[in-house]
Amino acid sequence: GQSLEQPSEVTAVEGAIVQINCTYQTSGFYGLSWYQQHDGGAPTFLSYNALDGLEETGRFSSFLSRSDSYGYLLLQELQMKDSASYFCAVRDRTNAGKSTFGDGTTLTVKP
Amino acid sequence: EAQVTQNPRYLITVTGKKLTVTCSQNMNHEYMSWYRQDPGLGLRQIYYSMNVEVTDKGDVPEGYKVSRKEKRNFPLILESPSPNQTSLYFCASRSGPGGDTQYFGPGTRLTVL
Repeated sequence: GQSLEQPSEVTAVEGAIVQINCTYQTSGFYGLSWYQQHDGGAPTFLSYNALDGLEETGRFSSFLSRSDSYGYLLLQELQMKDSASYFCAVRDRTNAGKSTFGDGTTLTVKP
Repeated sequence: EAQVTQNPRYLITVTGKKLTVTCSQNMNHEYMSWYRQDPGLGLRQIYYSMNVEVTDKGDVPEGYKVSRKEKRNFPLILESPSPNQTSLYFCASRSGPGGDTQYFGPGTRLTVL
């Protein structure tokens, strides 16, 4: 099975940098994904790490270390609109249709 | 415009009254899933489908049924809804085994009285 752990809440100020961690226990997975969800809206895809290392997409970066069973999402130059919930997720390697999400981290950006 | 649509967006019903939530995608994706989201919890996969007529259980399948008769549609059926199925439901699709990006529908907020 798969399980992912994230902090439930993170608070930061506008313009700062924040890191949201995700630790996982899996029986095999393709890679680590990150999704953003604003207040009950549809989750939207942010980033994916198939391999170890850093992936950068604009102000957002994501990191994966398979040896440490750990990943993180890094948000730079925080803006008020970044206040949202962020979820890490994995897809089962032995069953490609099966996905597991963490419980999510609520990020609050303050002025 | 590439999208996943769900209907209805909001539904209030009573215990035991069968209902169907429709889901449709226009991206020709092979994989589709249904998730439920409850306060403080992440998205939990109910059922998924890897192609037409191929469906399988996710982590929380009890009380739900699905069908995949056409590639674009993946309805979620609650034969006899109960109050513990009150939740926010999302349908999602992705292109295939190599595609990890899931595209989510707008969500259906279901209340079972």
